[in-house]
Amino acid sequence: GDSVTQTEGLVTLTKGLPVMLNCTYQTTYSPFLFWYVQHLNEAPKLLLKSSTDNKRTEHQGFYATLHKSSSSFHLQKSSVQLSDSALYFCALSEGTGNTGKLIFGLGTTLQVQP
Amino acid sequence: DPKIIQKPKYLVAVTGSEKILICEQYLGHNAMYWYRQSAKKPLEFMFSYSYQKLMDNQTASSRFQPQSSKKNHLDLQITALKPDDSATYFCASSQVGLENTLYFGAGTRLSVL
Repeated sequence: GDSVTQTEGLVTLTKGLPVMLNCTYQTTYSPFLFWYVQHLNEAPKLLLKSSTDNKRTEHQGFYATLHKSSSSFHLQKSSVQLSDSALYFCALSEGTGNTGKLIFGLGTTLQVQP
Repeated sequence: DPKIIQKPKYLVAVTGSEKILICEQYLGHNAMYWYRQSAKKPLEFMFSYSYQKLMDNQTASSRFQPQSSKKNHLDLQITALKPDDSATYFCASSQVGLENTLYFGAGTRLSVL
């Protein structure tokens, strides 16, 4: 079945450094990938969604590129800020993508230190 | 203003009891969902509804019953509660057929003692 694998656990970085959070997926359908961010005690919010193969999508300084050849949709930012500290989920839309049924990875906690 | 309202924010229940989690969305979306977030587990899809009809059910237990009295309401009734049901339950909505981005409510954190 469809699945999503993320960098697990905690990633700790100093403010201003670059970050990459890994996300790979398995699906037999054409993939639609998402990154959601969840700050402490808040709802998950959409950060990015994938576009066409090998096309980069960006939002709020974060960016990701869908690579079907490697089944990946890694999240990157060139310079992290304290406010980026949160839990990040990669998610795959199941099936044809025409549904809100998503398969989520376990999530990666990003902790940014001063 | 929150566009997806979930009530209550926190809920404590005793084993064997029954609770109803409330969700209303004011985004004008045509589909609503329930997801569960348990410790050490990914966000897990439970149900999807569109125009008050069940579209998909991934919850094995019949103790979980969604209830839709209006197209922008999707409550979740949980009966015979167990400690393993302790989790944060998120309601979500989307406009299927268009952008189909999933929007989440703030969640109800349920603790079963």
